[in-house]
Formats: sequence, structure tokens, C-alpha cells
Amino acid sequence: DTAVSQTPKYLVTQMGNDKSIKCEQNLGHDTMYWYKQDSKKFLKIMFSYNNKELIINETVPNRFSPKSPDKAHLNLHINSLELGDSAVYFCASSQVKGAYGYTFGSGTRLTVV
Amino acid sequence: GQQVMQIPQYQHVQEGEDFTTYCNSSTTLSNIQWYKQRPGGHPVFLIQLVKSGEVKKQKRLTFQFGEAKKNSSLHITATQTTDVGTYFCAGQGAAGNKLTFGGGTRVLVKP
Repeated sequence: DTAVSQTPKYLVTQMGNDKSIKCEQNLGHDTMYWYKQDSKKFLKIMFSYNNKELIINETVPNRFSPKSPDKAHLNLHINSLELGDSAVYFCASSQVKGAYGYTFGSGTRLTVV
Repeated sequence: GQQVMQIPQYQHVQEGEDFTTYCNSSTTLSNIQWYKQRPGGHPVFLIQLVKSGEVKKQKRLTFQFGEAKKNSSLHITATQTTDVGTYFCAGQGAAGNKLTFGGGTRVLVKP
């Protein structure tokens, strides 16, 4: 199936831990994104990569570090997790920097306890 | 920075009725996109509007882009239970710039 897939789907972890979320797309898109959706459903962009190059880096704590080994993969590593990091994290991809719509992954629900 | 506002935040609709959700940007947009997110799901791209005053239809959904390219609306006729979800508009300031999402309109349908 052509899609944006992210793992894991659920992640429950303790404060202070380090965790990673992985994302892969097989749509041949050139741009990938990480979005954070909070409990009020607000979708906020965190990072964007175009052909492995970081092009958008919003005001995100430097505990969050994205990495794109190739244009089909974009991972997110989070250090020293805090309670406020609990949210749903969506990976997305698009062609031509989003001009024709984003395809979202199914999300990773991160709960920090 | 660019801000995108959506109203209403919540919409309770009787099945069979029509409703409209509105989207306003603080800056002129190159395009506006609409997404639907079902409960527990992920946002799914519905449509993109590019031209000033553009109107597009998808079955019972009608999307409009304002003349000044700063506002948009989504009108749904004869609402069905399958229309339940959160509808997001998202604006792009210039081709290639980040897509800024509105806060969404959460639609609940009463059978």
C-alpha cells in the first residue's frame, strides 16, 4: 500500500526518558513534516525536510531533534521527555512543498507519565 | 506570523440540515486547503483552492476561496452521520511556505 507509515502508534513512557518515532513514505514525495496535535486538536508544525534538507524549524525545544536519512524517511527523537510533550505526533509528506496537499500518517499518541 | 482562524469551533447539526464553517487568514494566501479528521483518525486532504473567488464542489461539500484570498468557507448540505469529524482549513502564504492550520470545526451530527 502506498502511504505514510509511522511507528509506534502508541508510546507510553516516563518523564525523563528518551524516545524516537519513525516515519516512512513510499509516495515518492520530496518533502516531509512533523506536526504536533494537542488535546484541543490544534495542529502545529514542528519541522519540515525537503530532500533531506531542513527547511522549517519552528520554535520547538531543542530536546526535539529530527533526522532525515533519505527523502523517504523522517524520524523524530525526543530527549528528556516532559509531561507537556504528551500529544499526538503526525508525520506527513507532500510533493512540491505542500502545494498539492499533505498526506498524513496515522499518528503516534505519546503519553508521558 | 501568519494566523488562520476558524469558526465555529463546534457545530452541532441535525441530520439532513446544512451548515457552513468559515476560515480567515491574517495574511493573503497563495492557496488554501481543507482537511477532514475523523475521531481517532488523521487529517485527510479534501481539496485545494488557488484562484481568487474559486468555488469547488465535492458531492455535498462546497468550498469557496474569497476574492481577497484571505478567507474561505466550507458548506455541507444535507448533513449525514458520515460527516462527523473535525474540518480544518490550512493556508499557505506563498508557494513552498509552511502550511498553517486553523483550529478546526468539530462537527457532531444528531440523528
